[in-house]
Amino acid sequence: EAQVTQNPRYLITVTGKKLTVTCSQNMNHEYMSWYRQDPGLGLRQIYYSMNVEVTDKGDVPEGYKVSRKEKRNFPLILESPSPNQTSLYFCASRGVGTQYFGPGTRLLVL
Amino acid sequence: AQKVTQAQTEISVVEKEDVTLDCVYETRDTTYYLFWYKQPPSGELVFLIRRNSFDEQNEISGRYSWNFQKSTSSFNFTITASQVVDSAVYFCALSEASGTYKYIFGTGTRLKVLA
Repeated sequence: EAQVTQNPRYLITVTGKKLTVTCSQNMNHEYMSWYRQDPGLGLRQIYYSMNVEVTDKGDVPEGYKVSRKEKRNFPLILESPSPNQTSLYFCASRGVGTQYFGPGTRLLVL
Repeated sequence: AQKVTQAQTEISVVEKEDVTLDCVYETRDTTYYLFWYKQPPSGELVFLIRRNSFDEQNEISGRYSWNFQKSTSSFNFTITASQVVDSAVYFCALSEASGTYKYIFGTGTRLKVLA
């Protein structure tokens, strides 16, 4: 089954404790991206990657890092999380014209 | 700059009513994609439709229909005979058709269908 998976689905952490949210797709897509969803703001792009070892900033990249060492994986790294990074995060993988989203990761930073 | 506006923050209807969700977009590109996604209470994002900027034909899929009008930069979504299961947040999105293929999302419309 074609899918985008994310882990963990839910995470509660404390300010400053490094965390990684994993994202994996099995569709051999070159383009992957990360979004955060906040009430009243819709989805905003954090980072995207057009291929292995090619990443670039989206609209809200501050406080986040990404890497793309393999085509299927695109982890999101929060080196020092802060409460304003409490949000719902989505990883996406793009096929021909259409992005398919993972199930989302709800992050609470205390 | 690209922009997607969903002016309706929340809509409530009674089951079996028809409802239209509005989406207005701005772009300087001549080639682009438009999308609708559904986000049910469980939180996942479900792809509903993609429309290419060169294809202005309206589309119908069961109770769902979409009206794309380039002249008014609108891509509206109508649910006919709404059902409680249609309750969700619906997002309209615009994407470049080349370059970074960046997606711009609207802020979403929350639809509540009451039994």
